[in-house]
Amino acid sequence: KNEVEQSPQNLTAQEGEFITINCSYSVGISALHWLQQHPGGGIVSLFMLSSGKKKHGRLIATINIQEKHSSLHITASHPRDSAVYICAVYSGGGADGLTFGKGTHLIIQP
Amino acid sequence: NAGVTQTPKFRILKIGQSMTLQCTQDMNHNYMYWYRQDPGMGLKLIYYSVGAGITDKGEVPNGYNVSRSTTEDFPLRLELAAPSQTSVYFCASSPLSGGTQYFGPGTRLLVL
Repeated sequence: KNEVEQSPQNLTAQEGEFITINCSYSVGISALHWLQQHPGGGIVSLFMLSSGKKKHGRLIATINIQEKHSSLHITASHPRDSAVYICAVYSGGGADGLTFGKGTHLIIQP
Repeated sequence: NAGVTQTPKFRILKIGQSMTLQCTQDMNHNYMYWYRQDPGMGLKLIYYSVGAGITDKGEVPNGYNVSRSTTEDFPLRLELAAPSQTSVYFCASSPLSGGTQYFGPGTRLLVL
């Protein structure tokens, strides 16, 4: 069973700061997902990646398959980025579905 | 497109009661999932389906049942509700195994 660990659990930063959230997993995977859970509870997918790096606006996700590690970066952070960011992995084969980390609660102060 | 819809948004159940959480998607996705989210914990997979007529257990299936008679609908049935089933339940769908998942808004369930 894959174990997904995220760090930090909580992060408070000032508007404009560069944010990094880390995710590590214990067993090889087919894909890794980053999701955002809004304060109202809704969950949206940000990225799915299996290698390298992806960028969408101010968000950048990277993955190192050999080290079993991924990072989510937010550049020029803004209060509207305040949310819980969740890392999840898909191990492939056998049971379907994702294995989730506990999330990183991010607060960006003006 | 409405995406993934869930009903009800919130429900209070008494111990021993039963209920069905509804989930519908209009994206013609084959893969559908039910997760529960408890405070301070990651989402956990309850059941999943890879297509109409095919369902399988996830990590925490005890106390739940599902059916998938159509591509669109994937209801989750709670029999004999227990306080341990107090949680927020999310339904999700995906076009691919392991692919991007589209989540419903969630159902908050309180069992007293």
